[in-house]
Amino acid sequence: GAGVSQSPSNKVTEKGKDVELRCDPISGHTALYWYRQSLGQGLEFLIYFQGNSAPDKSGLPSDRFSAERTGGSVSTLTIQRTQQEDSAVYLCASSLVIAPGANVLTFGAGSRLTVL
Amino acid sequence: DAKTTQPPSMDCAEGRAANLPCNHSTISGNEYVYWYRQIHSQGPQYIIHGLKNNETNEMASLIITEDRKSSTLILPHATLRDTAVYYCIVRAAIQGAQKLVFGQGTRLTINP
Repeated sequence: GAGVSQSPSNKVTEKGKDVELRCDPISGHTALYWYRQSLGQGLEFLIYFQGNSAPDKSGLPSDRFSAERTGGSVSTLTIQRTQQEDSAVYLCASSLVIAPGANVLTFGAGSRLTVL
Repeated sequence: DAKTTQPPSMDCAEGRAANLPCNHSTISGNEYVYWYRQIHSQGPQYIIHGLKNNETNEMASLIITEDRKSSTLILPHATLRDTAVYYCIVRAAIQGAQKLVFGQGTRLTINP
């Protein structure tokens, strides 16, 4: 597609429920990233995927968070047993890695998660 | 990756040039300087990046000092729509994808 697409744009859930957030990257982009941004805060890196390499999961805050990328394209971020502190905007980005120093990320509009 | 230091906030009059500074005194020879911005309620947007030479595109100009320890992003004719948080990021140019680590950035307000 023309840009990075995320769904849902807004999700309200109850504490303890599981949620799935979806990201459709730009077609052909080999790298995909997840970030989150709490209200009034900066961007916090969560995880990234590149091609068939093992993902960098170093930013996932707890084992309740997981992500997968199927077929090298669509990615799903899953949060199990949601807590109120999980409330944030979850941002996905993708990039086409063509050369060192030329790795520009294109971000989606984000999925706003509210845990009641 | 080298850390960056930016002022937390700046103001600029509409129509004037906005000059946003960034210090990266520990930058290494293979590290690029990237600038992104985030307009309220939107995802970050790439602006420009460079290694040694000054760069210009349709959005902005990037001036990097000769010793590469600092840089300035210039928006030549700022408009109200340029109000955003601007992030300066330094990242090594290695093969493959890398995560971008965002700092607190500079909140730029363009005043009418």
